[in-house]
Parts: sequence; C-alpha cells; structure tokens
Amino acid sequence: QLQLQESGSGLVKPSQTLSLTCAVSGGSVSSGGYSWSWIRQPPGKGLEWIGYIYHSGSTYYNPSLKSRVTISVDNSQNQFSLKLTSVTAADTAVYYCARAPRGWGYLDFWGQGTLVTVSS
Amino acid sequence: DTQMTQSPSSLSASVGDRVTITCRASQSIGSYLNWYQHKPGKAPKLLIYGASSLQSGVPSRFSGSGFGTDFTLTVSSLQAEDFATYYCQQGYSTPYTFGQGTKLEIK
Repeated sequence: QLQLQESGSGLVKPSQTLSLTCAVSGGSVSSGGYSWSWIRQPPGKGLEWIGYIYHSGSTYYNPSLKSRVTISVDNSQNQFSLKLTSVTAADTAVYYCARAPRGWGYLDFWGQGTLVTVSS
Repeated sequence: DTQMTQSPSSLSASVGDRVTITCRASQSIGSYLNWYQHKPGKAPKLLIYGASSLQSGVPSRFSGSGFGTDFTLTVSSLQAEDFATYYCQQGYSTPYTFGQGTKLEIK
C-alpha cells in the first residue's frame, strides 16, 4: 500500500522560506503515470492545490502561488519537496502531499498532513 | 479558475439515513468530478472519481452522479464511521479546485 509522509519545519518566520518533504513508501516516485502534488488547507478554510511534479521534473504551479513556489523531486531518495518563499501569516496551513494518476486530476493517495505556522 | 460550490455546508443525520450532498461547478467540467472524505488528523480519502466511479475499497453505500456542472454524492445508509467532512474537486482544468466542504454530523 502506498504511503506518503510529510516532514519539515512546523514554524517559519515571516519573509522566510517554508520547506517540506514528502517521503513515499510502498511505491516509487519515478514510476511513470503519476504526478506528485502539494495541497494546503489554512485553518477554517478550504483546500488549495499548490502544484504538482512528474518524475521527469516537469511541474505545474497554481498561478496564485507560482511566483513563490518550487516543487522538486528526488528519484534516488523516493521523495519530493516543496519550497515556498516570502511566507506570511496567510501561508499558515496544514500542508498535504498526494499522488494523482496522470491525466485524471484526482488524488488517490494522501499524506496525513503537517501543520506549518508562520509567526515571528 | 473553476469555482466549486457545495451544499449544504453542514448536515445533521442519523445512522441509517440516506444523505445527498450536491456540488456545482461554475463551468462545465464533463465528468471530471471527484469526492473525498476527510476526518480530523487523518489523510483525506478518495471516494469517487470521474463523477461516478467508486474507488477501490470504498463501500458500495457511497455513490456519485452528475455531468457538466451539477453533481451529487449519496450515502445510501449512513454508518457511524461516515461522519466526516466531504469535499468535491474538479480535475478538468488547472488549477484544480475544491468545494468548501460539507460537514456531516451526528443528529
């Protein structure tokens, strides 16, 4: 069974960079046919798809965050990562990583999520 | 962006009830509509993809229907473990977007 686990800093200062990693087990990020996504949910608000990456390194970013987001993949470590620069309190959220079958636009496996708080 | 609107935002029901949640897209999305169940502190779970296809392992009491802009998720007979928040999500065009959620509570 595929499992995804987010890790990274839970507290980030305003204007700094948020960095998270999603470790994948029970499957491989380098297998074709899937994209690997980041999604977030601010407290009391809805879900927002941040972006995704294929094992080739090809990416898509939500235009609302595109100028600040980088998603990368490390096939040798079987993980992918998120960096979000110049964070503000509005970036406080639970961040999830997930897998999507290519071309279908749905997320079939998710991590449990990790809370990132932006505060000085 | 395609806006997704769910109704109701919350719903009280009893074990054994039949419940329906609706989701409306701001433009036609064909059948690229997916449903998720989310419990606090847990990973969201895919229930339905492609508007009506049941994800492997999901009980058959869950069903989905619709096409274009109007979609429904139905639970035929609520079980205790079904009390959670449900989200719809369109996978037709990027950026993929979610509904605001429907919280299903025990009456």
